[in-house]
Amino acid sequence: EDQVTQSPEALRLQEGESSSLNCSYTVSGLRGLFWYRQDPGKGPEFLFTLYSAGEEKEKERLKATLTKKESFLHITAPKPEDSATYLCAVQAAAGGSYIPTFGRGTSLIVHP
Amino acid sequence: EPEVTQTPSHQVTQMGQEVILRCVPISNHLYFYWYRQILGQKVEFLVSFYNNEISEKSEIFDDQFSVERPDGSNFTLKIRSTKLEDSAMYFCASSETTAYGYTFGSGTRLTVV
Repeated sequence: EDQVTQSPEALRLQEGESSSLNCSYTVSGLRGLFWYRQDPGKGPEFLFTLYSAGEEKEKERLKATLTKKESFLHITAPKPEDSATYLCAVQAAAGGSYIPTFGRGTSLIVHP
Repeated sequence: EPEVTQTPSHQVTQMGQEVILRCVPISNHLYFYWYRQILGQKVEFLVSFYNNEISEKSEIFDDQFSVERPDGSNFTLKIRSTKLEDSAMYFCASSETTAYGYTFGSGTRLTVV
């Protein structure tokens, strides 16, 4: 069965303190890995798609990277408005299903 | 920026009643989805819809659930006889293709009492 594990479950940072969130996965061939941001009481907001090992995507203070076993979401000099839950979802290439499996997320709080 | 719109934002219903959750996906998207998220838990897939038919469904999507695209814009999820455990946030999403990230709506909070 495909597995997606995100760590840590929760992370508290001071404004400006850079860090990384991890998403490790086991799938029967990776078709795509997605990062989303979810604010309380809202739907997930799409951030990035990564398709192959070595690929990187950036958006403002966020940078996503991908290896064959995990993805990192690097947050550089975070601001309080970056506080949210960050979700990783993995789409397998094999098995006939194209539906991504979501991890439980990392809850990020950035203190001013 | 185009949005996925969901109504109502909050619905309270009595156990055993039928509810219909409504969604307007992004107009040029071809794939539509329903997900749910029980408080404090992860986002779970319910069903996907393409070309006017269900393309995939999860084990959660049993006979009490159904989906429809009654016209060119709306996409609905019907829960026939609600149970307490159906209480959750229900998210509609749409996408242009299966390879891209989805655009999610803001959700409907369903509370079954």
